[in-house]
Amino acid sequence: GAGVSQSPRYKVAKRGQDVALRCDPISGHVSLFWYQQALGQGPEFLTYFQNEAQLDKSGLPSDRFFAERPEGSVSTLKIQRTQQEDSAVYLCASSPLQGVMTGANVLTFGAGSRLTVL
Amino acid sequence: AQRVTQPEKLLSVFKGAPVELKCNYSYSGSPELFWYVQYSRQRLQLLLRHISRESIKGFTADLNKGETSFHLKKPFAQEEDSAMYYCARTLYNFNKFYFGSGTKLNVKP
Repeated sequence: GAGVSQSPRYKVAKRGQDVALRCDPISGHVSLFWYQQALGQGPEFLTYFQNEAQLDKSGLPSDRFFAERPEGSVSTLKIQRTQQEDSAVYLCASSPLQGVMTGANVLTFGAGSRLTVL
Repeated sequence: AQRVTQPEKLLSVFKGAPVELKCNYSYSGSPELFWYVQYSRQRLQLLLRHISRESIKGFTADLNKGETSFHLKKPFAQEEDSAMYYCARTLYNFNKFYFGSGTKLNVKP
């Protein structure tokens, strides 16, 4: 596609519900990242994929958060038993090369999925 | 922790005035610094990166290792510069960005 596509754009969940957020990166992009952006804050790193391999998940806040990219393209971020503190915008970004090496690589961000947990 | 600090949440200037958005980072090896911008109703996008030593839309940023700063500057602000600006850095493994909390720039007519 022309850019990084995320769905749904908006999701309202009741506390305790499970949610799944989808990211469709730019075709052929090797690297895929998930970030969480709370209101009034900058994006916080959640996890990183290189193709289908999840190389870094150090930013996932709890074991309720799970991400996958089984075929090395589309990725899904799943949040189980949502809590109010999970309310945030979840950003996906992709890049054509490994990691975010400077000079040769630029992250392209999606529009984000805004999750509101009631 | 790898921190990026943007001390100003909001910066208001008049059109034509100089603008400086501050960014400080915690020292750790060789930093790679970036500025990202998010215009209203648009996606987060790269503005400039220190390694390129480029000027984009009239903005420049100089890495000052002594002061651990990477302030964003523009001599004459324009109304279309109004946006959220995020300073970011990577670590040596280049697998993640650390973002500051952002500064909202408001350029008044």
